[in-house]
Amino acid sequence: SQQGEEDPQALSIQEGENATMNCSYKTSINNLQWYRQNSGRGLVHLILIRSNEREKHSGRLRVTLDTSKKSSSLLITASRAADTASYFCATPFIGGFKTIFGAGTRLFVKA
Amino acid sequence: DTEVTQTPKHLVMGMTNKKSLKCEQHMGHRAMYWYKQKAKKPPELMFVYSYEKLSINESVPSRFSPECPNSSLLNLHLHALQPEDSALYLCASHGTGANEQFFGPGTRLTVL
Repeated sequence: SQQGEEDPQALSIQEGENATMNCSYKTSINNLQWYRQNSGRGLVHLILIRSNEREKHSGRLRVTLDTSKKSSSLLITASRAADTASYFCATPFIGGFKTIFGAGTRLFVKA
Repeated sequence: DTEVTQTPKHLVMGMTNKKSLKCEQHMGHRAMYWYKQKAKKPPELMFVYSYEKLSINESVPSRFSPECPNSSLLNLHLHALQPEDSALYLCASHGTGANEQFFGPGTRLTVL
């Protein structure tokens, strides 16, 4: 089974609103990453948060990590139509090559 | 050059055909990956190559055969596929000591 689970599965908001999506994982991690995927395209790395960090910002993105609850959240502020995409959390196995992707949240931003 | 390229973009093949997918990167990354992604699902790892050697095979059926001819190139040879193998096939790479993976745009495969 997948290590990362995400909610909501789908989210529809108006342009300018904030979008929050959540991710839970099952095992110990060194870091957690978030990726974006436009429809039918490859994934693009957005942001990485290390296990000793609680919060990280990058532009309009804010990521939090709670290792005690094994959960993370991605907040996109002041959303734009161009943010319409699927967002996946990803947790690399410690000491290995394998990365497990969460189920993903499909975000639709209406102009 | 921070790009992973994949060819072809689209591929339609019959169940008796033999075809190959190609992936290329020139970032000096020594780990390269093949993922399979079905619609509305996350990518599922198929194979990992590290320093041109197969490191991980996620119990993928033998009708999928990976090959890493050199550090920049990764192929996926396809033979006798089934309709359920229709999916988006993604290639990715990452550098030594790095965490993020760089993904190609994918090949949309349809098996008739």
